[in-house]
Amino acid sequence: AQKVTQAQTEISVVEKEDVTLDCVYETRDTTYYLFWYKQPPSGELVFLIRRNSFDEQNEISGRYSWNFQKSTSSFNFTITASQVVDSAVYFCAYAGGTSYGKLTFGQGTILTVHP
Amino acid sequence: DTGVSQNPRHKITKRGQNVTFRCDPISEHNRLYWYRQTLGQGPEFLTYFQNEAQLEKSRLLSDRFSAERPKGSFSTLEIQRTEQGDSAMYLCASSPLAAPETQYFGPGTRLLVL
Repeated sequence: AQKVTQAQTEISVVEKEDVTLDCVYETRDTTYYLFWYKQPPSGELVFLIRRNSFDEQNEISGRYSWNFQKSTSSFNFTITASQVVDSAVYFCAYAGGTSYGKLTFGQGTILTVHP
Repeated sequence: DTGVSQNPRHKITKRGQNVTFRCDPISEHNRLYWYRQTLGQGPEFLTYFQNEAQLEKSRLLSDRFSAERPKGSFSTLEIQRTEQGDSAMYLCASSPLAAPETQYFGPGTRLLVL
């Protein structure tokens, strides 16, 4: 069975610091997708990024960047120059197999950015 | 483009009562998913539909839970004889035909069973 592990339960940083959120996954699927979602205090899960298992190129979007390494089964997320508005719970998720019918989520990392 | 909407946003009920939640997916998204999230945990998959067909159900979905999507548009999730352990956030998501793996979530319905 697939498993997603986010070892960091909580991270606290001061504004403008860089922060990396770790995600490790386990799977026997050859084709799969990995995701990051943000859940602010309002509760709605916000889609941030999707990567497929054949594309290991790192991606940057503004202050966000993602590092996908198949060799270590990791998909880490870095926020550069963090801001108070980045405070939220961040979830890494996995979808695999032939139907991609469900997402398997990690436990989440609570990020608090202090002014 | 409006997002996924869920109603009600909050529900308080007494143990033993039945509750029903509604989810309206993003227009033209043919897949619709239900998840449950308890405090401090990631969402857990319950079930999903492709159009009106329910294609997968989790073992978490006991016989007290039933989900429908009768016309392939909105969906309802009913919990019969609620228990205190059913207290959770119930999340709905939808995904398009072109990218079925990418799910967009609604704001959730928070259920409290007293």
